Amino acid sequence: EVQLLQSGAEARKPGTSVRISCKVSGVALTDVYIHWLRQAPGGAPEWLAFVDPEDGETVYAPNFQASVSMTTDTSADTAYLDLTKITSDDTAVYYCATVPRTQYFYDHWGQGTLVSVSS
Amino acid sequence: VLTQSPATLSLSPGERVTLSCRASQNVGGHLAWYQQKPDQPPRLLIYDVSKRASGTPARFSGSGSGTDFTLTISSLEPEDFGVYYCQQRNDWPPRITFGPGTKLDLK
Repeated sequence: EVQLLQSGAEARKPGTSVRISCKVSGVALTDVYIHWLRQAPGGAPEWLAFVDPEDGETVYAPNFQASVSMTTDTSADTAYLDLTKITSDDTAVYYCATVPRTQYFYDHWGQGTLVSVSS
Repeated sequence: VLTQSPATLSLSPGERVTLSCRASQNVGGHLAWYQQKPDQPPRLLIYDVSKRASGTPARFSGSGSGTDFTLTISSLEPEDFGVYYCQQRNDWPPRITFGPGTKLDLK
């Protein structure tokens, strides 16, 4: 059974940074693409970026290219999302999700990590 | 860009429901549907327009082509409440897009 286990909720002040982790089990990290999405309260999911763990190639949504960074540790089957210079607009639930190679849909999701940004 | 209609609707168990998703350009066959319940991540229901994901009940069906797509629930069950999103992928530049969602309330 494929499972994605994300790190716990985070509270931060504006201008700071936060790292979220996503540990994948039940599938080899190199067999899937790992995507990160976020969902603001009452909103639709919003795609941030994806990484190919096989070679580390990352693709970022244009609006987030300067503020997010994705990495993977294949030895630990874990993906990371770093958010920098965060503002209150970054308050959201952040999800990691897997996409099978050659596909485009999300077949497995993490439970979500709430990031709250407030002064 | 994906648009969905209606934004909300309230229906009773046993009723048939049709949700709409319209794309601003031809998405080919790369259209998926998700169901989301409060405090849960979205759950994949349908991919490639009409293929049911593992565990999706047969009462859910997808159809459409080009820019207009439909998710139909043939006979609503109480557990079908939630928000439904459509999703597509652009090949280049690589981009994933979700529609704004349709909230389905059960009377």
